Amino acid sequence: EIVLTQSPGTLSLSPGERAILSCRVSQSVSSNLAWYQQKPGQTPRLLIYGASSRATGIPDRFSGSGSGTDFTLTISRLEPEDFGVYFCQENGSMFGQGTRLEIK
Amino acid sequence: QLQLQESGPGLVKPSETLSLTCTVSGGSINRYTYYWGWIRQPPGKGPEWIGSVRHSGSYYNPSLQSRVTISIDTSKNQFSLKLTSVTAADTAVYYCATIVGASRVDHWGQGILLTVSS
Repeated sequence: EIVLTQSPGTLSLSPGERAILSCRVSQSVSSNLAWYQQKPGQTPRLLIYGASSRATGIPDRFSGSGSGTDFTLTISRLEPEDFGVYFCQENGSMFGQGTRLEIK
Repeated sequence: QLQLQESGPGLVKPSETLSLTCTVSGGSINRYTYYWGWIRQPPGKGPEWIGSVRHSGSYYNPSLQSRVTISIDTSKNQFSLKLTSVTAADTAVYYCATIVGASRVDHWGQGILLTVSS
């Protein structure tokens, strides 16, 4: 069974700062990794797929990198609307446990 | 535009079988190359992939595989989830979804809260 481990569990930052979120996968998934943002009461919103391709309508302050087992989501300059919970997903199936991005 | 809508009982008793249906509108299931899948999210927790299916085969979360069946009914433009021997740990919002290959979730249903309780 593939396990995705996200770190940190919680990230406290201020608007304008850079956020770096990590997703480590227990076995290689090549570049088949997606990132989602979720806010309370909403379905997850796709941000990144194929490890580094931005989904339609996603601002370019969001970027993804990595391949194999180690992946990173970077938000270059945080906007107030970026706070929420972020999840990674491999191969359209298993999810990580999430990183909560909160306002400092 | 493709839309998904879950339906089913909101309450199931422990040890019983959970059955949910997802109705697809905006196009025929046969027209798309998606995997048709189910994802659940327990209160306050992250999403958990349950399984995905298309005509070429089905794929299930190993931790749930012994209890899960997902099937497609093209005549009704629906796909369904059956989860046997439910416990309180199966209480969650259940989403039906379209999944693009080995890539990502493309569409989500609005979700249905299912509670397991006697």
